[in-house]
Amino acid sequence: EVQLVESGGGLVQPGGSLRLSCAVSGFIVSSRYMSWVRQAPGKGLEWLSVMFSGGGATYADSVRGRFTISRDNSKNTLYLQMNGLRVEDTAVYYCARGGDYDGWFDPWGQGTLVTVSS
Amino acid sequence: DIQMTQSPSSLSASVGDRVTITCRASQGIGSHLGWYQQKPGKAPKRLIYDVSSLQSGVPSRFSGSGSGTEFTLTISSLQPEDFATYYCLQHNSFPLTFGGGTKVEIK
Repeated sequence: EVQLVESGGGLVQPGGSLRLSCAVSGFIVSSRYMSWVRQAPGKGLEWLSVMFSGGGATYADSVRGRFTISRDNSKNTLYLQMNGLRVEDTAVYYCARGGDYDGWFDPWGQGTLVTVSS
Repeated sequence: DIQMTQSPSSLSASVGDRVTITCRASQGIGSHLGWYQQKPGKAPKRLIYDVSSLQSGVPSRFSGSGSGTEFTLTISSLQPEDFATYYCLQHNSFPLTFGGGTKVEIK
């Protein structure tokens, strides 16, 4: 069964850092495109970043230079390193598969909440 | 960036109604469009990919159509479990962008 499980969210002060994890089972994380998408409280969905199967990545302007996507093939896990966090980064963060074969974002993880507040 | 304008932002409908949601892209996106359903407190779930391909396991009352800049999601006969928020996504070019969402509520 394909499953994505995020972790690492929590409360952090403005300017702080956090690393989110997305543990993958049922497929090899390095064989597929993998993305991070977030949703601020009561708001819509915002795509943040994709890591391509070849290892490259691209980012939304809102996080470029502050967030870094990566993966650990030995742990079959995707990461999002978030630095310089702002209050407006408060959101539920989801990882999701896809974009290489049959459309984007299926399946999704359950999400992890990041709250940036002093 | 490609802007996705989704309408309506909300609608009230009854069980059995036919419901149509529209997404307009600020420029042509070919067939690079998907639709997602999200229930409160849950992750989104893909319904449709590549404009009209039905995700495995999704009921056939859901369908998608369109091309170029205008796309529609149709629910042929609304069921109680369909009350949710729906989003379109363009994946023609980066940054990938979602529509603002359509909340489907019970009349």
